[in-house]
Amino acid sequence: RKEVEQDPGPFNVPEGATVAFNCTYSNSASQSFFWYRQDCRKEPKLLMSVYSSGNEDGRFTAQLNRASQYISLLIRDSKLSDSATYLCVVRNSGNTPLVFGKGTRLSVIA
Amino acid sequence: NAGVTQTPKFQVLKTGQSMTLQCAQDMNHNSMYWYRQDPGMGLRLIYYSASEGTTDKGEVPNGYNVSRLNKREFSLRLESAAPSQTSVYFCASSVEGVLEQYFGPGTRLTVT
Repeated sequence: RKEVEQDPGPFNVPEGATVAFNCTYSNSASQSFFWYRQDCRKEPKLLMSVYSSGNEDGRFTAQLNRASQYISLLIRDSKLSDSATYLCVVRNSGNTPLVFGKGTRLSVIA
Repeated sequence: NAGVTQTPKFQVLKTGQSMTLQCAQDMNHNSMYWYRQDPGMGLRLIYYSASEGTTDKGEVPNGYNVSRLNKREFSLRLESAAPSQTSVYFCASSVEGVLEQYFGPGTRLTVT
């Protein structure tokens, strides 16, 4: 079983739609959680960290369910510029390297 | 600040040729990483260096070697390139204890 699993998509949604991405992780000792964004043919960049209590950054909301080992990202009022691949990322402990999911591709259509 | 830089941006090799991918960061980060990204496979860690003078294998180290030349630079060497090493290679760096990793722009390598 892959350590971090995501629905690969693609998700094709109209502008203004709300879209949710889900991710599961297999290591119950995982300590830190993130969503990264990767534009086509570009490097990944941190979108937001995910905290146990859930957190919001503008139109983006991230949630963590440690009991179910599940992470989600909700994007409200989708923009064309949100089109990208969204990577679910986990750090297991301390200063160990990040573990990346394969990513979910989002296309926002006018 | 340039952040993380990688050279070259593109490279075509013939099977059996060798080359070194260069990576440098100007953010005074302790940790550096090499990943490869293939369609449908996501980012996979090749090697990493938690601090100057140390290197460790990641998920897919076979066919690669690395050198942490100093705190700024971390190079990846392919001694005898194979078509299976056709990929996009990303270098990244981070500060120990800080969670975000910063990525370079990538090197697109094709082995024929």
